[in-house]
Amino acid sequence: ELKVEQNPLFLSMQEGKNYTIYCNYSTTSDRLYWYRQDPGKSLESLFVLLSNGAVKQEGRLMASLDTKARLSTLHITAAVHDLSATYFCAVDGMDSSYKLIFGSGTRLLVRP
Amino acid sequence: SQTIHQWPATLVQPVGSPLSLECTVEGTSNPNLYWYRQAAGRGLQLLFYSVGIGQISSEVPQNLSASRPQDRQFILSSKKLLLSDSGFYLCAWSVPGGGNTIYFGEGSWLTVV
Repeated sequence: ELKVEQNPLFLSMQEGKNYTIYCNYSTTSDRLYWYRQDPGKSLESLFVLLSNGAVKQEGRLMASLDTKARLSTLHITAAVHDLSATYFCAVDGMDSSYKLIFGSGTRLLVRP
Repeated sequence: SQTIHQWPATLVQPVGSPLSLECTVEGTSNPNLYWYRQAAGRGLQLLFYSVGIGQISSEVPQNLSASRPQDRQFILSSKKLLLSDSGFYLCAWSVPGGGNTIYFGEGSWLTVV
């Protein structure tokens, strides 16, 4: 059974600082997704990583995938308050359903 | 462009009452369709997925059911709601095949009282 673990579950950081969110998963997959969720809202797609060594960047966020280590990271550079949200990683189980299994989410709070 | 519509946005239902949440996708054909549930402050749990009309797979045993009467319509139902059914229900779709982004609807907040 595919399991996805994120850490930390909660992160409070100051504006301007850097930090990394980690996403580990338990079975072979080379399809990893990152989503953002604002309070009370739906999920917004951030990145889709489809191969070992894939790296994608958008603004202050950069995501990478190491399929051998079964690990993805979401790196935050010089955080700003607008990045405060909950971030989820999700893994495709590589079966014919193409369904995603989500991690528990990392709630990020960026303080002034 | 493709869009996904989900309704109702909010509902409060008594225990034992029925439920019907609807989701439609526009601008694409034969999408993969999904129902997820998010309990308060928690992650997402996959409830059902469908890769075609009439093809429904259930992930978690429960008193909910799903149907796909048309290519781009996905319905989540219950005959008798439980308190534990409360949560945020999200419909989602993707282009057929793997490695494609899964897009989420706006969600439906269900409170069972």
